[in-house]
Amino acid sequence: LAKTTQPISMDSYEGQEVNITCSHNNIATNDYITWYQQFPSQGPRFIIQGYKTKVTNEVASLFIPADRKSSTLSLPRVSLSDTAVYYCLVGVSREDSSYKLIFGSGTRLLVRP
Amino acid sequence: NAGVTQTPKFQVLKTGQSMTLQCAQDMNHEYMSWYRQDPGMGLRLIHYSVGAGITDQGEVPNGYNVSRSTTEDFPLRLLSAAPSQTSVYFCASSYLASGRFYEQYFGPGTRLTVT
Repeated sequence: LAKTTQPISMDSYEGQEVNITCSHNNIATNDYITWYQQFPSQGPRFIIQGYKTKVTNEVASLFIPADRKSSTLSLPRVSLSDTAVYYCLVGVSREDSSYKLIFGSGTRLLVRP
Repeated sequence: NAGVTQTPKFQVLKTGQSMTLQCAQDMNHEYMSWYRQDPGMGLRLIHYSVGAGITDQGEVPNGYNVSRSTTEDFPLRLLSAAPSQTSVYFCASSYLASGRFYEQYFGPGTRLTVT
């Protein structure tokens, strides 16, 4: 199973760049890596998805090395509103092509003024 | 386009009661799933479906049933509620093509308390 491992928590200050790394040693060939953000009392919200190398959108970048056994979410210049829990998600494929999307324990990011 | 809707928003049950949590999406997504999230914890997959008529178990399926008779709806049934099922329940849906999952859209959640 493609289990993910992330740091439990991280602290940062406003304006800094934050990098959160996720380990997924057993990622399958066809799996994409997806990151979500969750605020208290809300459902998770999609941030970014990638397969390899680097992906960038208006809010974040995702770096994936060649072996794809880890990935790093990069949040440039964080603000107080980026305080949230961040989850890395990798599909868990089965032989019959049915898939489970298992969330890891997430990283609790606290941004301080 | 309402996205993913869930009803009810809040529910209190007594031990042993049964109920159904409703989930609907209007994005024609093949993949739908149910997660539960206990206070201060991550999300755990209960059941999922890759299309109408197809359902399968996730990480914590015991005590829950699902069905998928249409693409739009994916109800979660609690068979005999227990205090351990007190949690927030999230429904999600995603476009699925050639084995690739795209962005999952989550509903607002149902807060369930079992006394």
